[in-house]
Amino acid sequence: QVQLQESGPGLVKPSGTLSLTCAVSGDSITSTNWWNWVRQPPGKGLEWIGQIYHSGSTDYNPSLESRLTISVDKSTNQFSLQLSSVTAADTAVYYCATITPLGWLWGQGTLVTVSS
Amino acid sequence: EIVLTQSPGTLSLSPGERATLSCRASHRVSSTYLAWYQQKPGQAPRLLIYGASNRATGIPDRLSGSGSETDFTLTISRVEPEDFAVYYCQQYGASPITFGQGTRLEIK
Repeated sequence: QVQLQESGPGLVKPSGTLSLTCAVSGDSITSTNWWNWVRQPPGKGLEWIGQIYHSGSTDYNPSLESRLTISVDKSTNQFSLQLSSVTAADTAVYYCATITPLGWLWGQGTLVTVSS
Repeated sequence: EIVLTQSPGTLSLSPGERATLSCRASHRVSSTYLAWYQQKPGQAPRLLIYGASNRATGIPDRLSGSGSETDFTLTISRVEPEDFAVYYCQQYGASPITFGQGTRLEIK
């Protein structure tokens, strides 16, 4: 059974870069899955951030694309998110997730707060 | 972008009643890529339905999904106390992947 675990700083300063990693266990990141990031601001709904395939192909939400980089590290079986020039509006719980033939599997999420 | 509009925004029911949650898409969605989630405070979304009508592992058969093209429905035949939560629909057949704004199922 695939399991996903997010990690990274819980506090980022305004104008800085938010960086998170998702560790994949129970499957190889070189499998046929797409690997995703989704976020949820406090008290609000879910927003898709973007996804990556193990080949490095990416698909980003146009609303974030100019600030976003998603990458994959096959050697550590992880994928990562970098979001630059953050503001308070980027404060959210960030989830990593993967698409399988039986639906999406999600990590437990990690709260990132943007504040000075 | 495919916009998903969920209705009602809030549904107030008593345990034992039937719940009908709607998800309407601004453009046609392939049923293969339509999912429903339940979310409780402080928890990650829990997959309920994938492929519009397939129950995920461990989901009781009182929950069912139906629909096609632009109109999809999640039905809970008899609401149990553990069902009171927020429900989201999601399409992932077209980029950008989108979610509905959610329906809150609350105790009447």
